[in-house]
Order: sequence, then structure tokens, then C-alpha cells
Amino acid sequence: GENVEQHPSTLSVQEGDSAVIKCTYSDSASNYFPWYKQELGKGPQLIIDIRSNVGEKKDQRIAVTLNKTAKHFSLHITETQPEDSAVYFCAASHTGNQFYFGTGTSLTVIP
Amino acid sequence: NAGVMQNPRHLVRRRGQEARLRCSPMKGHSHVYWYRQLPEEGLKFMVYLQKENIIDESGMPKERFSAEFPKEGPSILRIQQVVRGDSAAYFCASSPAEETQYFGPGTRLLVL
Repeated sequence: GENVEQHPSTLSVQEGDSAVIKCTYSDSASNYFPWYKQELGKGPQLIIDIRSNVGEKKDQRIAVTLNKTAKHFSLHITETQPEDSAVYFCAASHTGNQFYFGTGTSLTVIP
Repeated sequence: NAGVMQNPRHLVRRRGQEARLRCSPMKGHSHVYWYRQLPEEGLKFMVYLQKENIIDESGMPKERFSAEFPKEGPSILRIQQVVRGDSAAYFCASSPAEETQYFGPGTRLLVL
């Protein structure tokens, strides 16, 4: 089955700096890669996703890049704000099937 | 459009009791997924259902766990004879048709 690895497990940045979280996957059949933000005591919230026919996608301060050859994808958050502090999860799936999640990155934005 | 709803939000059971978790998908979504999350860990897939059918239950323990998604009403995840190791957060997600999954707020199960 698919194996998703996520790094780093914790990340602290100063407010206004950028944050980058990286994930790798093992199954070349995976073609859908969402990113979720989870705040304490809440369910995961989809923040951005990318499909394998696209190399990069951007939504305001958030961007995701995908390298199919190397089987890795990354989340980039620019101009970080304290409200960006949360746990971020990457996931990989073959459309319609279960999601395989990374182990999460706890992001702290220091005011 | 209301999001995915789960209830109860918190559930306390003693060892040996049954836990019944409910999930109402978003309107128009016919695909439901259940995941389990242990403290400070990622989400682990349990089961994938469409209306009245189990599509993939490869992540669900063979014993004590069952899931259903009837034609009418919410999806139910049922855990019989709970043990302490079942304590976790259980999340339900729904999607319209093998697309993006939207998660509910979860049910936090504590087994005493």
C-alpha cells in the first residue's frame, strides 16, 4: 500500500516568515494530494489540494508543489500569521480510494 | 450547506460496553469514510461506504467493529465490547463522488 512520510514534525517560525512542509509518497498510482489543517479539538479542514496533472497550485498565501518523478509534494505558507498555528497533514490517494495521511506537522507562528 | 455532522462529540464507555458513532454527510454526498486518530498521530483509514454498500473495509479490525450507511439516515460506526485501546478520536468524511473528502468534527471516545 501507499506510505506517506511528512517532515518536519514540528516547525516554529516568526510571524511574517514563510513555512514549508514536505511530504513524500511511495505509490506511483496516487494522483490526488490534499492538505489539511487541524486545530485543537477540531476535525481536519481542507486548505488546498493538487492533482497529478498539475505541478503547482496557489491560493492566496498558500501554495502546493508536486514533483511526480521524485514522488514528493510540499506546502508553502507565506507571510505567516498567528492564526496559521495548527497541525498540518498531507495525504495521498488514488482518486476515490482511502486517503493515506502523513504523521502531521505542528506549526507554531511566533508573534 | 451544513458541513459533515458527527454525534456525539464526546462519548465515555466502560470496558465491555458498546459504542455507536453517527455521521451525517454533507447534503448531496453519497460517499462516507471513517478514520481513527490516536493522540498526536495521523489519521488511519478504517472503512469506505456508499449508500447501503461497504466498498473498502481493509482498515477496520475484523472483530468488534462494524459500519453501515443505510439508504435513510446517518452512517453508523459500531464498536462492540470496547477496550481501552479503542480510545481515540473517530472522524467521518464525506465526498460527492470519489473526490475531495470533507471531515466532520469527530467523536472523541474514552474507554474507562
